[in-house]
Amino acid sequence: SQTIHQWPATLVQPVGSPLSLECTVEGTSNPNLYWYRQAAGRGLQLLFYSVGIGQISSEVPQNLSASRPQDRQFILSSKKLLLSDSGFYLCAWSGGFSDGQPQHFGDGTRLSIL
Amino acid sequence: SQQGEEDPQALSIQEGENATMNCSYKTSINNLQWYRQNSGRGLVHLILIRSNEREKHSGRLRVTLDTSKKSSSLLITASRAADTASYFCATDGNSGTYKYIFGTGTRLKVLA
Repeated sequence: SQTIHQWPATLVQPVGSPLSLECTVEGTSNPNLYWYRQAAGRGLQLLFYSVGIGQISSEVPQNLSASRPQDRQFILSSKKLLLSDSGFYLCAWSGGFSDGQPQHFGDGTRLSIL
Repeated sequence: SQQGEEDPQALSIQEGENATMNCSYKTSINNLQWYRQNSGRGLVHLILIRSNEREKHSGRLRVTLDTSKKSSSLLITASRAADTASYFCATDGNSGTYKYIFGTGTRLKVLA
């Protein structure tokens, strides 16, 4: 069966520090991968998505970047965190072979910037 | 702007009652999905309805879709305390890009 792992679960970082959040998927190949951010009590904001290795689509210009170095690995990064980067970050995957595929989410990383 | 907007934003009901949540969207779609999120967790897919379907059922869930009004509703029958969660609709926007836009969510509280 397919599983998605996202870590760390919580992270507290000072303003101006770098960031690296990792997400890996097991049990499937060539998934579509997604990074979302969720503000407290709000909906999900799509940050990046990828349909293949090295293919990254950015949805919102901001202080973050994403990379997909391997088929089932998706990394969210920042060189210098801002206070506004605080939030709940969710990684998700879906089958890439047709539309209408459900998205499967990790348990998220709660990021607090001090 | 958000593709999907749910209402109400929050809903509190007694166990055993039915809960209805609505989702409105702005552009044409190929399909619409509903997800559930327990507090502090990731989202879980509940049900998908395609643009050529009007109604789907899954257990205690009933989803309707009215493409002429660009709206969908999620009905949870005979609610349980364990149904307490936030519920989100997600639309593909007929973009053909495998991305979905999520609404703002309805926070459902079921009182025992």
